[in-house]
Amino acid sequence: GEDVEQSLFLSVREGDSSVINCTYTDSSSTYLYWYKQEPGAGLQLLTYIFSNMDMKQDQRLTVLLNKKDKHLSLRIADTQTGDSAIYFCAVVSYNTDKLIFGTGTRLQVFP
Amino acid sequence: DTAVSQTPKYLVTQMGNDKSIKCEQNLGHDTMYWYKQDSKKFLKIMFSYNNKELIINETVPNRFSPKSPDKAHLNLHINSLELGDSAVYFCASSQLQGTNEKLFFGSGTQLSVL
Repeated sequence: GEDVEQSLFLSVREGDSSVINCTYTDSSSTYLYWYKQEPGAGLQLLTYIFSNMDMKQDQRLTVLLNKKDKHLSLRIADTQTGDSAIYFCAVVSYNTDKLIFGTGTRLQVFP
Repeated sequence: DTAVSQTPKYLVTQMGNDKSIKCEQNLGHDTMYWYKQDSKKFLKIMFSYNNKELIINETVPNRFSPKSPDKAHLNLHINSLELGDSAVYFCASSQLQGTNEKLFFGSGTQLSVL
C-alpha cells in the first residue's frame, strides 16, 4: 500500500526555522497538502502545492516538492510557540486514489 | 460559527454499549467523511458520503454504521463497543467529491471504551 512517512518529532528554538519532511512511495495527487493539528483540535489545512510546482511560498511557510525523489517539505520561518502542533502531509495514493495522511510530525517550539 | 461541528467532544462508555457521534457542517459541502485517529496519531479514513450516498467504505467492522439524513449531516453509530474502538473520531467535509479536494475537519470526538 501507499506509505507516507514523516519523522515523529522536531524540536526548535523560537525564532529559528523549522523544516518538516515527508516522503511518499507513490502519488497521483494534483495537490499535495500540509495540515496542522493543535492539541485537542481537528486538522486544519495549512497550505498545499500544485503537483506541477516545485516551490510555493506563503508568508512564513515554504513548501518544496521534489517529485523525482517523492519528497515534500514544509519550512516555517521564524518559528513561534504558537506553531507548536502536529503537522501532517497528505497525498493521493496512485494505487487506491484515496487521500493518505502521513504519520505526523510533532513540532515543539521552546523559548 | 463552527464550520464542521461534532458532538459529543468526549465519550466515555463501557464495552458492549452502543453509542452515536453526530456531525454537522454548515459550509454547503456535498461530501462528508469519518476518520479515525489512533493513539499514535495515525489517521485513517473510515467512510465517505457524497450527497447522502456512501462513496468510500474502508475495511471497518460492520458494528460501525454511518447515517446521512441529509448532505449537511453524517452521523456515526457504533454497536457493541470494544476496547480497540478507543480513539479520536474526526468528521470532515469537502466541497466536491474527489480526492483532490481540501478537507475541513471537526474538532474530534475522543471515545474511551472501558
